[in-house]
Amino acid sequence: GDSVTQMEGPVTLSEEAFLTINCTYTATGYPSLFWYVQYPGEGLQLLLKATKADDKGSNKGFEATYRKETTSFHLEKGSVQVSDSAVYFCALSGSGNTPLVFGKGTRLSVIA
Amino acid sequence: GAGVSQSPSNKVTEKGKDVELRCDPISGHTALYWYRQSLGQGLEFLIYFQGNSAPDKSGLPSDRFSAERTGGSVSTLTIQRTQQEDSAVYLCASSLERSYNEQFFGPGTRLTVL
Repeated sequence: GDSVTQMEGPVTLSEEAFLTINCTYTATGYPSLFWYVQYPGEGLQLLLKATKADDKGSNKGFEATYRKETTSFHLEKGSVQVSDSAVYFCALSGSGNTPLVFGKGTRLSVIA
Repeated sequence: GAGVSQSPSNKVTEKGKDVELRCDPISGHTALYWYRQSLGQGLEFLIYFQGNSAPDKSGLPSDRFSAERTGGSVSTLTIQRTQQEDSAVYLCASSLERSYNEQFFGPGTRLTVL
């Protein structure tokens, strides 16, 4: 079945550092790919998405590019802030409205 | 507009009791999903409703779990004879029919089974 593998955390960075969280997937067909974020004490929020190969999703300074050849969707941000401290989930969905398959999440802590 | 809402936010129950968790999706969203978030298992799909179609129950962990969706809107997840391993945060999400599956999540219900 479909699956998502993302780097295990926790990841601790200093403010203004560069962030990469790796995500790779296994799926049949052409899934849509997502990054969700869960801030402390809050629910899951969609951070960005990409629906086809070579699409780049971006939001709040975060970016991820849908790479079909490497089945990857790595999350990057050039300069993290303390407010980016959260748990980040990579996810995929097959065609149509199907349930999301999530990675196990990566906890990011940014220190001033 | 209003987002997905869930109630209660917290529920503590004794082993063996039944519990009901409620989800109010975003108005107009035809698809509704239940997930479970636990420390050991991460985020797991439980059940999925799409319009008037039969629900996809393939993620339900046992026959103690059931869910219904009335009038294509509100959904209730019921867990019978709760066990300690049912302790988790139960998340509800909804989406439009054709939205490349952009799902909007509620705040969750934290269930603790003593």
